[in-house]
Amino acid sequence: EAQVTQNPRYLITVTGKKLTVTCSQNMNHEYMSWYRQDPGLGLRQIYYSMNVEVTDKGDVPEGYKVSRKEKRNFPLILESPSPNQTSLYFCASSLIAALSYNEQFFGPGTRLTVL
Amino acid sequence: GNSVTQMEGPVTLSEEAFLTINCTYTATGYPSLFWYVQYPGEGLQLLLKATKADDKGSNKGFEATYRKETTSFHLEKGSVQVSDSAVYFCALSDRKDNFNKFYFGSGTKLNVKP
Repeated sequence: EAQVTQNPRYLITVTGKKLTVTCSQNMNHEYMSWYRQDPGLGLRQIYYSMNVEVTDKGDVPEGYKVSRKEKRNFPLILESPSPNQTSLYFCASSLIAALSYNEQFFGPGTRLTVL
Repeated sequence: GNSVTQMEGPVTLSEEAFLTINCTYTATGYPSLFWYVQYPGEGLQLLLKATKADDKGSNKGFEATYRKETTSFHLEKGSVQVSDSAVYFCALSDRKDNFNKFYFGSGTKLNVKP
């Protein structure tokens, strides 16, 4: 089944404790992206990747890191989480970054709470 | 710059009522337009899309027409069901540098009562 998977689905952690949220897609998509969803703000892009070893900042990259060593995986790293990073996170992928009509496929989400 | 504005929710309707969720956009290029739906506890799923002016996207009884003259992409359904209760996001994809960036509205929550 074609899908985007994320792990963990739920995570409660404490300020400053490094964490990684994994994202994997099995559709051979070029483009992958991370979003955070907060009430009243919709989805805001954190980082994106056009292809392997090509990543760039989105609209709200502060406090996050990413890597794209393999085409299928795009982990999100919080080196020192803070309470303002408490949010619902979504990973998404798209076949080809340069085509506007390519929709994005979303993972099920990771609900992160930083105490 | 690019942006998407959609009506605030929640929208509460009775089953079989007519649904309209308004969405307007600003774009510098020639965007594609999308509606995504998010059911409770799930990720976003594509509901429908339109890639050029006057195109109509449709799926599961939902429709939206790409209106360039009014920069709108309103979502409609003739008769809603309880199972349509969800959050609906309007989005556009437009060229930025060498790729297409997505811009999402803030979402509209729909509650359908039996």
